[in-house]
Amino acid sequence: ETGVTQTPRHLVMGMTNKKSLKCEQHLGHNAMYWYKQSAKKPLELMFVYSLEERVENNSVPSRFSPECPNSSHLFLHLHTLQPEDSALYLCASSRSGTQPLYGYTFGSGTRLTVV
Amino acid sequence: AQSVTQPDIHITVSEGASLELRCNYSYGATPYLFWYVQSPGQGLQLLLKYFSGDTLVQGIKGFEAEFKRSQSSFNLRKPSVHWSDAAEYFCAVGAINNAGNMLTFGGGTRLMVKP
Repeated sequence: ETGVTQTPRHLVMGMTNKKSLKCEQHLGHNAMYWYKQSAKKPLELMFVYSLEERVENNSVPSRFSPECPNSSHLFLHLHTLQPEDSALYLCASSRSGTQPLYGYTFGSGTRLTVV
Repeated sequence: AQSVTQPDIHITVSEGASLELRCNYSYGATPYLFWYVQSPGQGLQLLLKYFSGDTLVQGIKGFEAEFKRSQSSFNLRKPSVHWSDAAEYFCAVGAINNAGNMLTFGGGTRLMVKP
């Protein structure tokens, strides 16, 4: 248990489905992140929320839609995905401030398979 | 912008042997440096971090890392590897920008341990 909880752990969805990934932290952090981890590729930063505002979006396709209703919860809404979107999706949180003293705390990830 | 290079994609060592994983970074100021470990199907766990002070930092699970400014390196070491150390290891450099705390990760090194 890392303090960052991701659900579900595994998800199989068709290309026409709509699903959501959930991330929750109760560490008092005020920044949250979505990363995509594909086989044989570096970690890709998808979205950053700081103080519940989206501050960075690394040119992610619109079929991925993030939502951060409060500082403890982060969602990633998925629709009309492609098979190449199959990956491990990692959520992380941190304190956002003057120094990155603590790094990120990661969840265990959601393994997504698009069929 | 900061960047991290992990030159070795795969490393295999025998159980009980020593280990060194290489990490080189590029950053214009004093870096905040991190090592994370990821077991299969899991999220990333923080092993150790460096911000300032003693250039040799101790982490969890018997790991240590040494910051060498002249070489822009932050190599991870362990004197005697255990089979349970088989995992993927990520080096990261931290910085502050308008998105708050941002970590940039290297491509990772996959460690295999021979019995």
